[in-house]
Amino acid sequence: DAGITQSPRYKITETGRQVTLMCHQTWSHSYMFWYRQDLGHGLRLIYYSAAADITDKGEVPDGYVVSRSKTENFPLTLESATRSQTSVYFCASTGGADTQYFGPGTRLTVL
Amino acid sequence: RKEVEQDPGPFNVPEGATVAFNCTYSNSASQSFFWYRQDCRKEPKLLMSVYSSGNEDGRFTAQLNRASQYISLLIRDSKLSDSATYLCVASLNDYKLSFGAGTTVTVRA
Repeated sequence: DAGITQSPRYKITETGRQVTLMCHQTWSHSYMFWYRQDLGHGLRLIYYSAAADITDKGEVPDGYVVSRSKTENFPLTLESATRSQTSVYFCASTGGADTQYFGPGTRLTVL
Repeated sequence: RKEVEQDPGPFNVPEGATVAFNCTYSNSASQSFFWYRQDCRKEPKLLMSVYSSGNEDGRFTAQLNRASQYISLLIRDSKLSDSATYLCVASLNDYKLSFGAGTTVTVRA
């Protein structure tokens, strides 16, 4: 019972490259989220999805693209990575009742 | 202005002590409130929900003051394992959460 997983766990890339972070959940939760966490800012919502093929912007969506063709997967793509996108990225999901369950995170460094 | 603000700490306390800290939220329409716990470099995990009447879970007590728009967390009889960052969360609905930057608690032997 893996729950919610993210891959890769660590990624180093260069400015301008495209990067895709993967998120997979086994609970069939309808809602999924992408957050970034930076010192002093806490967790900030990038995008979220209410169901397959339904996505919406969060607080800091610029420079990111998401898709959700299947309920269990919610990939996040940085179209052209910038140094300001160096961060820890957390994926989360919920089936309701408020509790969000987080994946282990992806540490992304953009050089 | 951030939607949820917390004192970053750190709060350094000896084992067995009581530690308490607050957070404030800016949107009076917020309906749900939570405390999440985050261990160093790991994912946040729900510690407890916060209800208007206040609630207790073992050594942890959470309070909500809607008039002053603050939430508190009190930890009694602190254990070394309580060392973590505590994230205050407010939500306008069930799905979009606003997180504070966290309060760090360090419990020393």
